[in-house]
Amino acid sequence: QVQLKETGPDLVQLTQTLSITCTVSGFSLTTYNVHWVRQPPGKGLEWMGAMWNGGGTDYNSAFKSRLSISRDTSKSQVFLKMNSLQTDDTAKYFCASSNSGYGVMDAWGQGASVTVSS
Amino acid sequence: DIQMTQSPASLSASLGETVTIECRASEDIYNGLAWYQQKPGKSPQLLIYNANSLHTGVPSRFSGSGSGTQYSLKINSLQSEDVASYFCQQYYDYPYTFGAGTKLELK
Repeated sequence: QVQLKETGPDLVQLTQTLSITCTVSGFSLTTYNVHWVRQPPGKGLEWMGAMWNGGGTDYNSAFKSRLSISRDTSKSQVFLKMNSLQTDDTAKYFCASSNSGYGVMDAWGQGASVTVSS
Repeated sequence: DIQMTQSPASLSASLGETVTIECRASEDIYNGLAWYQQKPGKSPQLLIYNANSLHTGVPSRFSGSGSGTQYSLKINSLQSEDVASYFCQQYYDYPYTFGAGTKLELK
């Protein structure tokens, strides 16, 4: 059974760095792709980037150079790191797996709610 | 970036009714389209991919259609558990983009 779980801080200070871990089970990171998607309170969904099963990454250029996605296959974990946080980065951050097609997110974690505080 | 325009933004329908949600892409996305359902406080769940393929375990009252720039999600015989927000997403080109969502309520 495919499962994903995000863990990270509830609160991050303005201009600081956000780190969230996505721990997966039921599949291998060398077989499935993992995406990061965020959702500000009461708003829509925004694709941030992906860790492909081959180890490559792609990012939404909206995040320019402040976003980094990495993984540890031995621990079945994918990591999101984003620096220079602003108040509009307050959101719920989801990781989602993809097995039905590169961009199709067929299983999602519960999400990690992050508030950026000034 | 490919813009996804979803309509309507909100929708009120009765139990047993058929509802349709539309999604228009700013350019041809060659059926690279998925639909997700999100219930309040929960994570999105995949319903449809490749514009018209039903994801495993999704009830057959959900269906997707369309091509080019115009796509739609149809829900036949609306059930109470279908009350949710629905989002379309294109995965033809980077960055992947979502529609703004349709909030479906019971009348």
